[in-house]
Amino acid sequence: GNSVTQMEGPVTLSEEAFLTINCTYTATGYPSLFWYVQYPGEGLQLLLKATKADDKGSNKGFEATYRKETTSFHLEKGSVQVSDSAVYFCALKDQTGANNLFFGTGTRLTVIP
Amino acid sequence: DAGVTQSPTHLIKTRGQHVTLRCSPISGHKSVSWYQQVLGQGPQFIFQYYEKEERGRGNFPDRFSARQFPNYSSELNVNALLLGDSALYLCASSLADRVNSPYNEQFFGPGTRLTVL
Repeated sequence: GNSVTQMEGPVTLSEEAFLTINCTYTATGYPSLFWYVQYPGEGLQLLLKATKADDKGSNKGFEATYRKETTSFHLEKGSVQVSDSAVYFCALKDQTGANNLFFGTGTRLTVIP
Repeated sequence: DAGVTQSPTHLIKTRGQHVTLRCSPISGHKSVSWYQQVLGQGPQFIFQYYEKEERGRGNFPDRFSARQFPNYSSELNVNALLLGDSALYLCASSLADRVNSPYNEQFFGPGTRLTVL
């Protein structure tokens, strides 16, 4: 079956620190992989995605590389800002199934000045 | 342009009652999906509808049902509410429903927070 395992939170970092949030997956076939972000009181927003092995998704300074050999899609950012404080969800979409997403449990990031 | 809208924002019900949640997709989007997000967990897929037809169903009991209207808006109904149904219910819309389509990115609404007492 499909599942996503995400690094437990919460994560607290100082401004300008380096961020890594780990994500590994189990899937049938070759899934597409996503990172979504949820700011307080808002819905989920797509942050970045990758659709095949070795693809790198990037947006707003965040990056993640689709690693088929390690079934991972770790999220990184070189220098976090206070405005990055949010909950981050790793997700996959099975290319052979319905157009629905399987999410990890989420990682809460708090960035302090 | 308006994004996905959901109503109501918050709702409080008691066990055994029935609830209806509503979703309006982005203009032009024909597919609507529903997700349940229990506090501290990631969203779980409930239903997907496209052109008024059910295209996918997650592992939820028959107490959960949904429908899509000709204007592509959607309702999620939950009967015989249980305490465990307390969650944030998210609606997402997309242009297409096919998993391999480049137009299937899902855009999420702000959710309806349901509390069952």
